[in-house]
Amino acid sequence: DGGITQSPKYLFRKEGQNVTLSCEQNLNHDAMYWYRQDPGQGLRLIYYSQIVNDFQKGDIAEGYSVSREKKESFPLTVTSAQKNPTAFYLCATEGPSGRNSPIYNEQFFGPGTRLTVL
Amino acid sequence: AQSVTQLGSHVSVSEGALVLLRCNYSSSVPPYLFWYVQYPNQGLQLLLKYTSAATLVKGINGFEAEFKKSETSFHLTKPSAHMSDAAEYFCAVSFTGGGNKLTFGTGTQLKVEL
Repeated sequence: DGGITQSPKYLFRKEGQNVTLSCEQNLNHDAMYWYRQDPGQGLRLIYYSQIVNDFQKGDIAEGYSVSREKKESFPLTVTSAQKNPTAFYLCATEGPSGRNSPIYNEQFFGPGTRLTVL
Repeated sequence: AQSVTQLGSHVSVSEGALVLLRCNYSSSVPPYLFWYVQYPNQGLQLLLKYTSAATLVKGINGFEAEFKKSETSFHLTKPSAHMSDAAEYFCAVSFTGGGNKLTFGTGTQLKVEL
């Protein structure tokens, strides 16, 4: 079953603790993305990776870190430096859509992880 | 810099009525435009995308959108709303055909009433 897995679905942490969100894909896509979603603000890009062992900061990278040691995995760590970490976090990959003609890449999204910091 | 503006954070329609969700973009170069749908506590699903091949783009679930350069708009429409269309809809813009670094609008919550 191909797709993007984000675990867990819901995550609770105490303030001041680092927490790592998992994102795994078996779509064989090179590019992966992390977004943060807050009510009324749409999605904002945190980090992205175009290829293994390489990643770039997005628009709101402060307080977050990532790694890309394997093509299939792009974990996101929310550090204690992130001042307002409670949000819905979405992971995405980029690959050919195959749905339309001509074929262009599109982003495919995982189901998300809702992080609540108490 | 590229950006999108979605007019109306909440839209309510009756079942069977026309759905119109507005999106205006700002871009200094020809854009690629996307509409995504999100159901509660789920990821986003692509409805349709404009990649300069045709100005009227048909997507899934009966939705379509028309690219109007003169109005810098890419409004999403559906002739007849169904209860299952209730969701949040996001317009997004990118410069590249690869969807790289999408910039999203703030979203429009669609409510469908009986």
